[in-house]
Amino acid sequence: SAVISQKPSRDICQRGTSLTIQCQVDSQVTMMFWYRQQPGQSLTLIATANQGSEATYESGFVIDKFPISRPNLTFSTLTVSNMSPEDSSIYLCSVGAGGGTEAFFGQGTRLTVV
Amino acid sequence: AQSVTQLGSHVSVSEGALVLLRCNYSSSVPPYLFWYVQYPNQGLQLLLKYTSAATLVKGINGFEAEFKKSETSFHLTKPSAHMSDAAEYFCAVSVRNAGGTSYGKLTFGQGTILTVHP
Repeated sequence: SAVISQKPSRDICQRGTSLTIQCQVDSQVTMMFWYRQQPGQSLTLIATANQGSEATYESGFVIDKFPISRPNLTFSTLTVSNMSPEDSSIYLCSVGAGGGTEAFFGQGTRLTVV
Repeated sequence: AQSVTQLGSHVSVSEGALVLLRCNYSSSVPPYLFWYVQYPNQGLQLLLKYTSAATLVKGINGFEAEFKKSETSFHLTKPSAHMSDAAEYFCAVSVRNAGGTSYGKLTFGQGTILTVHP
């Protein structure tokens, strides 16, 4: 199994500012995934973060808004830039294991933009 | 590309009644399938998964699901609902690559909120 620690667990931010969310895994993983869960909605994949290369973004998400770093095989950050109230969501970090037969999630970061 | 459809955004049952949450998937290759539960203000917890072994999969808290390739379905059931089962349930699919593995990238269904009445 993989244990994922996300920081912060929650935050309230002013519009126009940026927040960086950290994700730490207790083992080395090839890919890390960032999801967004808007209020009352399902999870939507933002991007896939590979170590040593640029993240791959899903349709509707852009690097300028959600820059991602992946400096090593156990850590990644997601920044939510120039925030607006529409960015209020839960952001979750995830990793796969066991050849994809497992998918582990952090506890999420509950972001409120005011 | 793969997709998941959960039929019914809200399901309400009485305590002790059968729970049936429906999930249909679309995938051009054999998928891995998952059910997750999310309690209010909490993270995702894996209930069970299908990874091409037995088609009837048993999970935690008395839940089970059956993979039916012919129907492209992976419905979640529990014989007798308990008040503590009230939560939101997500079906998800992970697609295998040509090598038969996956990196764990998931596509989620819309979620089903389960309400259990006394």
